[in-house]
Amino acid sequence: NAGVTQTPKFQVLKTGQSMTLQCAQDMNHEYMSWYRQDPGMGLRLIHYSVGAGITDQGEVPNGYNVSRSTTEDFPLRLLSAAPSQTSVYFCASRLTGGEQYFGPGTRLTVT
Amino acid sequence: DQQVKQNSPSLSVQEGRISILNCDYTNSMFDYFLWYKKYPAEGPTFLISISSIKDKNEDGRFTVFLNKSAKHLSLHIVPSQPGDSAVYFCAARWGAQKLVFGQGTRLTINP
Repeated sequence: NAGVTQTPKFQVLKTGQSMTLQCAQDMNHEYMSWYRQDPGMGLRLIHYSVGAGITDQGEVPNGYNVSRSTTEDFPLRLLSAAPSQTSVYFCASRLTGGEQYFGPGTRLTVT
Repeated sequence: DQQVKQNSPSLSVQEGRISILNCDYTNSMFDYFLWYKKYPAEGPTFLISISSIKDKNEDGRFTVFLNKSAKHLSLHIVPSQPGDSAVYFCAARWGAQKLVFGQGTRLTINP
């Protein structure tokens, strides 16, 4: 199993550009989520999904969009990048009630 | 509204001694607690968990203690080893709901 994979590892965007962060898992987990990690703030939940076709907002959803068309994939879209979105982004997945597995992260810089 | 708090941003411990990381929570509905470890440039990895029906769970050098009346969680690492140097996050959830993370504590083990 590859576990949770994320692409790209690093990205630099200009303000106003859009992009999609990719996330995939091969463990047949129903639950997938996106977090951002900022210094002193821990891991904050952006969006999550409890299954294909079902998504919901987390703690900091503004400026981000998600969809879940398959069990395996959960892309995160930045609609119009802002410097405040400079962060490290982690995708995670788990079975309901199970431990959460994280991907390696995407480091995003918005200039 | 920080439901899970780690009030010590950093902790330094001598190799071989005990490391104690602390975590407080406010939501009495939480029924499952987890600790994650994170190395630089990697995603967090699951370390140990405890259900609210227990007050202690042990796994090798790692022990988690739960004090429900004080809404306090702690992770003990003994003996501490250089490879334990990392950022530690505590997290909590209730039922199948989303995980809520603390801000993290950076543990440094000195030789």
